[in-house]
Amino acid sequence: DGGITQSPKYLFRKEGQNVTLSCEQNLNHDAMYWYRQDPGQGLRLIYYSQIVNDFQKGDIAEGYSVSREKKESFPLTVTSAQKNPTAFYLCASSIIGQGASEQYFGPGTRLTVT
Amino acid sequence: GQQLNQSPQSMFIQEGEDVSMNCTSSSIFNTWLWYKQDPGEGPVLLIALYKAGELTSNGRLTAQFGITRKDSFLNISASIPSDVGIYFCAGPSNQNAGGTSYGKLTFGQGTILTVHP
Repeated sequence: DGGITQSPKYLFRKEGQNVTLSCEQNLNHDAMYWYRQDPGQGLRLIYYSQIVNDFQKGDIAEGYSVSREKKESFPLTVTSAQKNPTAFYLCASSIIGQGASEQYFGPGTRLTVT
Repeated sequence: GQQLNQSPQSMFIQEGEDVSMNCTSSSIFNTWLWYKQDPGEGPVLLIALYKAGELTSNGRLTAQFGITRKDSFLNISASIPSDVGIYFCAGPSNQNAGGTSYGKLTFGQGTILTVHP
């Protein structure tokens, strides 16, 4: 089955620790994205990548870092500099090209920092 | 930048009722997407619209691409309890005039739907 996997589903960390969230896709999509969602809120773009070894900041990149060493993988690190890291994190992917704009989402990781 | 205004923000309905929600944009879109997010899960694409005036159905769901290209509508007929969730509209943030998309989407704030049995 093709799709996007995020692991783990729930993650707990102590304040001051960096934590890395995993995102893998086997859809052969060029682009990958990370969003943050707070309770009852919409989706805010953290980082996105349109090609391997390249990525751009989204609307709320401060306190986060990413890498794109492989087409299939786009891990997100929530650093200790992120002031309010507790949130639901969603990874997505899409193709890039004529008429294409549909993004497909993973199941999400709920991060709790205490 | 582009903004999408989605309304209503929330709806509380009885099972069996029909639902209507809409999304308006400050600029023209070439594509409209509608997603549903179940509680605690990632959004799932429901319907994609690519042409002004297009009307597309997916089971009990019907979506329309407004002829002005600045709005879209989603209707759910005969709602059932599993329709509960957040519905998002979205459109491409960086699609050029020729229709090539570079991937980014602008999302509406979402409509939270509650269905009472």
